Amino acid sequence: AQTVTQSQPEMSVQEAETVTLSCTYDTSENNYYLFWYKQPPSRQMILVIRQEAYKQQNATENRFSVNFQKAAKSFSLKISDSQLGDTAMYFCAFMKGGTASKLTFGTGTRLQVTL
Amino acid sequence: DAGVTQSPTHLIKTRGQQVTLRCSPKSGHDTVSWYQQALGQGPQFIFQYYEEEERQRGNFPDRFSGHQFPNYSSELNVNALLLGDSALYLCASSFFNSYNEQFFGPGTRLTVL
Repeated sequence: AQTVTQSQPEMSVQEAETVTLSCTYDTSENNYYLFWYKQPPSRQMILVIRQEAYKQQNATENRFSVNFQKAAKSFSLKISDSQLGDTAMYFCAFMKGGTASKLTFGTGTRLQVTL
Repeated sequence: DAGVTQSPTHLIKTRGQQVTLRCSPKSGHDTVSWYQQALGQGPQFIFQYYEEEERQRGNFPDRFSGHQFPNYSSELNVNALLLGDSALYLCASSFFNSYNEQFFGPGTRLTVL
């Protein structure tokens, strides 16, 4: 079974600053995907970024980037130039490769962006 | 292009009652997964439906059951409600036969009194 651990229950960052959210996971699979989802107070779970385990290059989506360390089973999210709209719960998630599979989520990190 | 929709938005039930939640997948998607998100926790996988059959199931009791219709929409049924069933229930849709991200609906907030 896979497990996902987010050790930072809450974090705060000032607008325009950079923040890094941590995630570690445990799996015996070799083919898998990792995700960061954002859940604002509106509750809608929104995909922020994804990483395929077979890719060595770290994924980047505008202000969001990841640091994927496969050997260490670490998958952190860096948010640059933080904006007030980034305030939300952030969940790290794991999915086994192949046909449609379930997502295994961490417990989340609550990020507050302040003025 | 309509995304994933869920109904109702909120629901209040009492212990012992039964509840049915509904989900319509994103246009073109054929697979529906259900998740339970307790307050302050990450979502937990309940089960997944494809071709009107349950394909995967998480660690949830038989009180939790589901159905998928020919138009790919899905229902989640919970019998004999317990206080601990109070949670946000999320539906996600995707394609089955290839990797693809799961798109989530806005969820149904269930409160059991």
